[in-house]
Amino acid sequence: QKEVEQDPGPLSVPEGAIVSLNCTYSNSAFQYFMWYRQYSRKGPELLMYTYSSGNKEDGRFTAQVDKSSKYISLFIRDSQPSDSATYLCAMKEENTGNQFYFGTGTSLTVIP
Amino acid sequence: EAGVAQSPRYKIIEKRQSVAFWCNPISGHATLYWYQQILGQGPKLLIQFQNNGVVDDSQLPKDRFSAERLKGVDSTLKIQPAKLEDSAVYLCASSYIAGGETQYFGPGTRLLVL
Repeated sequence: QKEVEQDPGPLSVPEGAIVSLNCTYSNSAFQYFMWYRQYSRKGPELLMYTYSSGNKEDGRFTAQVDKSSKYISLFIRDSQPSDSATYLCAMKEENTGNQFYFGTGTSLTVIP
Repeated sequence: EAGVAQSPRYKIIEKRQSVAFWCNPISGHATLYWYQQILGQGPKLLIQFQNNGVVDDSQLPKDRFSAERLKGVDSTLKIQPAKLEDSAVYLCASSYIAGGETQYFGPGTRLLVL
């Protein structure tokens, strides 16, 4: 079983839709949860990070962590064509803290 | 603030040849990471440096891959000899502190091994 599981998609939505992206994980020691956005032929860029459980909101983006279910989500409201990219979740433990474990990424296309 | 620089951007080689990738992290960032991203997969950590020392190289195929970070700044990743399965994007990232949640990635080097 992989440390982090993520549905690769592809996901295609109309402009203005609410997008839900999800990851599950098996390691209960993960404490930091990150979402990266990766445009084609570019390196990943950090969108949001959350420590432990709870919600975090930043503009149109909301990250949720449910540690009891080992499940994290990223919601994108009022999706725009510029949101078209691959979204990667990543996680790491707190104490050892060094290695990030990435999901496979979900490819999202927002259709104008 | 300049981002993480990588070169070359693309490289095509034949199997059994050698290849080297270069990375210049963001100024002042002590930690440097090399990742391998195979098409359709997430990045996999190959090696992590803290200044010029190796913190984690547990997933680096040491029979063919090597990396160094001289003077704690630039880094080079080498593959010798290359195999077909090494075809991937090699990403360099840096962070201000070890394990910092904010990693800044470079654009990557796309390697195709024929």
